[in-house]
Amino acid sequence: EIVLTQSPGTLSLSPGERATLSCRASQIISSSYLAWYQQKPGQSPRLLIYGASSRATGIPDRFSGSGSGTDFTLTISRLEPEDFAVYYCQQYGSSPMYTFGQGTKLEIK
Amino acid sequence: QVQLVQSGAEVKKPGASVKVSCTASGYTFTRFGISWVRQAPGQGLEWMGWISPYNGNTKYTQKLQGRVTMTTDTSTSTAYIELRSLRSDDTAVYYCARDLYGSGLYGMGVWGQGTTVTVSS
Repeated sequence: EIVLTQSPGTLSLSPGERATLSCRASQIISSSYLAWYQQKPGQSPRLLIYGASSRATGIPDRFSGSGSGTDFTLTISRLEPEDFAVYYCQQYGSSPMYTFGQGTKLEIK
Repeated sequence: QVQLVQSGAEVKKPGASVKVSCTASGYTFTRFGISWVRQAPGQGLEWMGWISPYNGNTKYTQKLQGRVTMTTDTSTSTAYIELRSLRSDDTAVYYCARDLYGSGLYGMGVWGQGTTVTVSS
């Protein structure tokens, strides 16, 4: 079973700053099968990035994804107040079908 | 617009069963798989399983094998999850989520609003 480890656990930044969130897999995974989600308190998760680097419909271009192999990154180029939330990476595999990372909380400094 | 609407909150006693529904609209139900994901209070996301409304094929996480059943009713575009032998650690918000694309390879593009299931004596 592939394990996804996200770092840092909590990231404290100010609006306007750049955020870099990491997701590391315990085995090489296909870039096509790596996704990122945003979840705000009391809300359902929202798909941001799929295929490691493709933005989902309606996602602002300040969000970008990159990486391959075992190391993947979600970058928010310039933080807006609404970007402070919890972010999860997820991979598609054979068994189990999906695995989530434990999440990174992005909080206002 | 595409949406998934889930049934309301449930309170159950340990050992009981719960069945949560997820009604889809705005797209052809049989073309996209549905996953169920849960989130315990203050915790992260846990994938529970996936079902294809096209042919009923299912994939469950090994952790819940034997306690969970996922089904669909194509006549009403509704997916269901039933969890049996409930324990206190099954207390969570349960989400249904639709494949971004039909194959399930690229993640979950549409999510339901969540259903709170509380297991308490």
